Amino acid sequence: TQLLEQSPQFLSIQEGENLTVYCNSSSVFSSLQWYRQEPGEGPVLLVTVVTGGEVKKLKRLTFQFGDARKDSSLHITAAQTGDTGLYLCAGVGSGGSNYKLTFGKGTLLTVNP
Amino acid sequence: NAGVTQTPKFRVLKTGQSMTLLCAQDMNHEYMYWYRQDPGMGLRLIHYSVGEGTTAKGEVPDGYNVSRLKKQNFLLGLESAAPSQTSVYFCASSYLRQGQYFGPGTRLTVT
Repeated sequence: TQLLEQSPQFLSIQEGENLTVYCNSSSVFSSLQWYRQEPGEGPVLLVTVVTGGEVKKLKRLTFQFGDARKDSSLHITAAQTGDTGLYLCAGVGSGGSNYKLTFGKGTLLTVNP
Repeated sequence: NAGVTQTPKFRVLKTGQSMTLLCAQDMNHEYMYWYRQDPGMGLRLIHYSVGEGTTAKGEVPDGYNVSRLKKQNFLLGLESAAPSQTSVYFCASSYLRQGQYFGPGTRLTVT
Protein backbone atom coordinates (compact mmCIF):
# COMPACT_ATOMS: atom_id res chain seq x y z
CA THR A 1 0.00 0.00 0.00
CA GLN A 2 1.37 3.37 -1.02
CA LEU A 3 1.08 6.10 1.61
CA LEU A 4 1.67 9.83 1.40
CA GLU A 5 2.34 11.84 4.53
CA GLN A 6 1.85 15.59 4.52
CA SER A 7 3.31 18.02 6.99
CA PRO A 8 2.44 20.14 8.72
CA GLN A 9 -1.18 19.12 9.22
CA PHE A 10 -2.18 22.68 10.17
CA LEU A 11 -0.46 25.98 9.42
CA SER A 12 -1.58 29.45 10.44
CA ILE A 13 0.46 32.41 9.24
CA GLN A 14 0.21 36.15 8.64
CA GLU A 15 -0.26 37.66 5.22
CA GLY A 16 3.10 38.29 3.54
CA GLU A 17 4.92 35.38 5.17
CA ASN A 18 6.49 32.50 3.25
CA LEU A 19 5.70 28.84 3.89
CA THR A 20 6.56 25.35 2.74
CA VAL A 21 4.36 22.26 2.82
CA TYR A 22 5.86 18.78 2.49
CA CYS A 23 4.59 15.54 1.01
CA ASN A 24 6.62 12.39 1.72
CA SER A 25 6.41 8.71 0.92
CA SER A 26 8.54 5.58 1.00
CA SER A 27 7.08 4.63 -2.39
CA VAL A 28 8.02 5.83 -5.85
CA PHE A 29 5.33 7.55 -7.86
CA SER A 30 5.22 8.04 -11.61
CA SER A 31 3.98 11.58 -11.01
CA LEU A 32 2.60 13.72 -8.24
CA GLN A 33 -0.26 16.19 -8.24
CA TRP A 34 -1.12 19.07 -5.94
CA TYR A 35 -4.69 20.19 -5.30
CA ARG A 36 -6.26 23.02 -3.31
CA GLN A 37 -9.65 22.61 -1.72
CA GLU A 38 -11.71 25.49 -0.37
CA PRO A 39 -14.48 24.97 2.21
CA GLY A 40 -17.61 23.42 0.73
CA GLU A 41 -16.01 22.70 -2.63
CA GLY A 42 -14.17 19.90 -4.40
CA PRO A 43 -10.39 19.84 -4.82
CA VAL A 44 -8.97 21.79 -7.75
CA LEU A 45 -5.82 20.65 -9.53
CA LEU A 46 -2.92 23.10 -9.20
CA VAL A 47 -0.06 21.26 -10.87
CA THR A 48 1.34 17.89 -11.91
CA VAL A 49 5.06 17.13 -11.58
CA VAL A 50 6.39 14.19 -13.52
CA THR A 51 10.18 14.18 -13.67
CA GLY A 52 12.44 13.66 -10.65
CA GLY A 53 13.92 17.01 -9.63
CA GLU A 54 11.31 18.94 -11.60
CA VAL A 55 10.39 22.43 -10.40
CA LYS A 56 7.21 24.16 -11.53
CA LYS A 57 6.08 27.67 -10.70
CA LEU A 58 2.53 28.96 -10.62
CA LYS A 59 2.70 32.66 -9.77
CA ARG A 60 3.77 32.72 -6.07
CA LEU A 61 3.59 28.93 -5.71
CA THR A 62 6.65 26.76 -6.39
CA PHE A 63 6.33 22.99 -6.61
CA GLN A 64 9.23 20.56 -6.54
CA PHE A 65 9.34 16.82 -7.14
CA GLY A 66 12.12 14.95 -5.34
CA ASP A 67 14.93 13.39 -7.34
CA ALA A 68 13.81 9.89 -6.33
CA ARG A 69 10.15 10.70 -7.06
CA LYS A 70 9.17 9.83 -3.49
CA ASP A 71 8.52 13.31 -2.13
CA SER A 72 7.41 16.78 -3.10
CA SER A 73 7.17 20.25 -1.63
CA LEU A 74 5.01 23.31 -2.16
CA HIS A 75 6.46 26.71 -1.33
CA ILE A 76 4.29 29.83 -1.21
CA THR A 77 5.97 33.23 -1.29
CA ALA A 78 4.30 36.24 0.32
CA ALA A 79 1.12 34.40 1.24
CA GLN A 80 -2.22 36.13 0.71
CA THR A 81 -5.57 35.56 2.41
CA GLY A 82 -6.81 34.04 -0.84
CA ASP A 83 -4.28 31.21 -0.40
CA THR A 84 -6.27 29.90 2.54
CA GLY A 85 -7.44 26.34 1.97
CA LEU A 86 -6.64 22.65 2.26
CA TYR A 87 -3.64 21.63 0.18
CA LEU A 88 -3.58 18.01 -0.91
CA CYS A 89 -0.83 16.06 -2.59
CA ALA A 90 -1.66 12.95 -4.56
CA GLY A 91 0.63 10.36 -6.07
CA VAL A 92 -0.01 8.52 -9.31
CA GLY A 93 0.99 4.88 -9.13
CA SER A 94 3.04 3.15 -11.75
CA GLY A 95 2.13 0.22 -13.95
CA GLY A 96 -1.42 -1.08 -13.87
CA SER A 97 -2.59 1.38 -11.20
CA ASN A 98 -1.45 4.49 -12.99
CA TYR A 99 -4.90 6.05 -13.12
CA LYS A 100 -5.57 5.84 -9.38
CA LEU A 101 -4.41 8.51 -6.97
CA THR A 102 -3.11 8.04 -3.45
CA PHE A 103 -3.97 11.16 -1.48
CA GLY A 104 -2.23 12.61 1.52
CA LYS A 105 -4.45 13.84 4.35
CA GLY A 106 -3.72 17.44 3.54
CA THR A 107 -2.32 20.61 5.06
CA LEU A 108 -4.91 23.12 6.24
CA LEU A 109 -3.47 26.59 5.62
CA THR A 110 -4.94 29.71 7.16
CA VAL A 111 -3.53 33.06 6.07
CA ASN A 112 -4.55 35.84 8.45
CA PRO A 113 -4.84 39.50 7.34
CA ASN B 1 -18.71 23.33 -20.07
CA ALA B 2 -20.20 22.42 -16.71
CA GLY B 3 -17.29 20.09 -15.87
CA VAL B 4 -18.31 17.58 -13.20
CA THR B 5 -21.72 17.92 -11.59
CA GLN B 6 -23.17 15.98 -8.67
CA THR B 7 -26.76 15.45 -7.58
CA PRO B 8 -27.96 15.97 -4.89
CA LYS B 9 -25.84 18.49 -2.97
CA PHE B 10 -27.23 17.54 0.45
CA ARG B 11 -29.16 14.55 1.74
CA VAL B 12 -30.29 13.19 5.09
CA LEU B 13 -31.13 9.49 5.29
CA LYS B 14 -32.35 7.24 8.04
CA THR B 15 -30.48 4.04 8.78
CA GLY B 16 -31.51 1.34 6.34
CA GLN B 17 -32.76 3.66 3.61
CA SER B 18 -31.28 3.56 0.13
CA MET B 19 -30.24 6.26 -2.27
CA THR B 20 -28.32 6.91 -5.47
CA LEU B 21 -25.83 9.70 -6.05
CA LEU B 22 -25.48 10.86 -9.63
CA CYS B 23 -22.30 12.17 -11.20
CA ALA B 24 -22.14 13.62 -14.71
CA GLN B 25 -19.18 14.95 -16.70
CA ASP B 26 -19.12 16.69 -20.06
CA MET B 27 -15.40 16.43 -20.79
CA ASN B 28 -15.53 13.05 -22.55
CA HIS B 29 -13.24 11.53 -19.90
CA GLU B 30 -12.79 7.77 -19.86
CA TYR B 31 -12.00 7.49 -16.16
CA MET B 32 -14.38 8.33 -13.34
CA TYR B 33 -14.07 7.94 -9.57
CA TRP B 34 -16.07 8.11 -6.37
CA TYR B 35 -14.36 9.25 -3.15
CA ARG B 36 -15.46 9.91 0.37
CA GLN B 37 -13.84 12.57 2.54
CA ASP B 38 -13.92 12.33 6.31
CA PRO B 39 -12.15 14.48 8.92
CA GLY B 40 -8.69 13.12 9.64
CA MET B 41 -9.00 10.43 6.97
CA GLY B 42 -8.44 12.39 3.81
CA LEU B 43 -9.91 11.35 0.46
CA ARG B 44 -10.52 7.63 0.09
CA LEU B 45 -11.40 5.91 -3.17
CA ILE B 46 -14.66 3.95 -3.07
CA HIS B 47 -15.07 2.68 -6.64
CA TYR B 48 -13.77 3.72 -10.02
CA SER B 49 -14.41 3.11 -13.71
CA VAL B 50 -11.99 3.08 -16.61
CA GLY B 51 -14.69 3.13 -19.26
CA GLU B 52 -18.35 2.71 -20.07
CA GLY B 53 -19.70 -0.55 -18.70
CA THR B 54 -16.69 -1.20 -16.44
CA THR B 55 -16.30 -0.67 -12.69
CA ALA B 56 -13.78 -1.70 -10.06
CA LYS B 57 -13.39 -1.56 -6.29
CA GLY B 58 -11.27 1.05 -4.61
CA GLU B 59 -9.98 1.30 -1.07
CA VAL B 60 -13.34 1.36 0.81
CA PRO B 61 -16.01 -0.31 -1.39
CA ASP B 62 -18.09 -2.12 1.26
CA GLY B 63 -21.71 -0.93 1.46
CA TYR B 64 -21.59 0.79 -1.94
CA ASN B 65 -22.38 -0.20 -5.51
CA VAL B 66 -21.73 1.67 -8.75
CA SER B 67 -22.78 1.63 -12.37
CA ARG B 68 -21.41 3.25 -15.52
CA LEU B 69 -24.05 2.64 -18.17
CA LYS B 70 -23.14 5.79 -20.10
CA LYS B 71 -19.67 7.27 -20.53
CA GLN B 72 -20.69 10.60 -19.06
CA ASN B 73 -22.48 9.26 -15.96
CA PHE B 74 -21.25 7.39 -12.89
CA LEU B 75 -23.78 6.39 -10.24
CA LEU B 76 -23.02 5.53 -6.62
CA GLY B 77 -25.63 3.56 -4.71
CA LEU B 78 -26.14 2.92 -1.03
CA GLU B 79 -28.49 -0.04 -0.62
CA SER B 80 -28.91 0.13 3.17
CA ALA B 81 -27.42 3.28 4.64
CA ALA B 82 -25.51 3.16 7.92
CA PRO B 83 -24.36 6.01 10.20
CA SER B 84 -20.75 5.13 9.26
CA GLN B 85 -21.56 6.29 5.73
CA THR B 86 -22.11 9.85 6.90
CA SER B 87 -19.55 11.73 4.85
CA VAL B 88 -18.90 14.11 1.98
CA TYR B 89 -18.85 12.26 -1.34
CA PHE B 90 -16.89 13.52 -4.31
CA CYS B 91 -17.01 12.37 -7.88
CA ALA B 92 -14.07 12.99 -10.20
CA SER B 93 -13.10 12.31 -13.78
CA SER B 94 -9.82 12.28 -15.66
CA TYR B 95 -8.23 11.74 -19.03
CA LEU B 96 -5.77 8.89 -18.54
CA ARG B 97 -3.00 9.85 -16.05
CA GLN B 98 -3.72 13.55 -16.15
CA GLY B 99 -5.15 15.47 -13.23
CA GLN B 100 -8.60 14.70 -11.91
CA TYR B 101 -11.51 17.10 -12.09
CA PHE B 102 -13.75 17.01 -9.03
CA GLY B 103 -17.40 17.80 -8.58
CA PRO B 104 -18.70 20.06 -5.78
CA GLY B 105 -19.55 17.16 -3.46
CA THR B 106 -22.62 15.64 -1.82
CA ARG B 107 -23.00 16.01 1.92
CA LEU B 108 -24.73 12.92 3.27
CA THR B 109 -25.92 12.45 6.84
CA VAL B 110 -27.26 9.09 7.99
CA THR B 111 -29.18 9.18 11.28
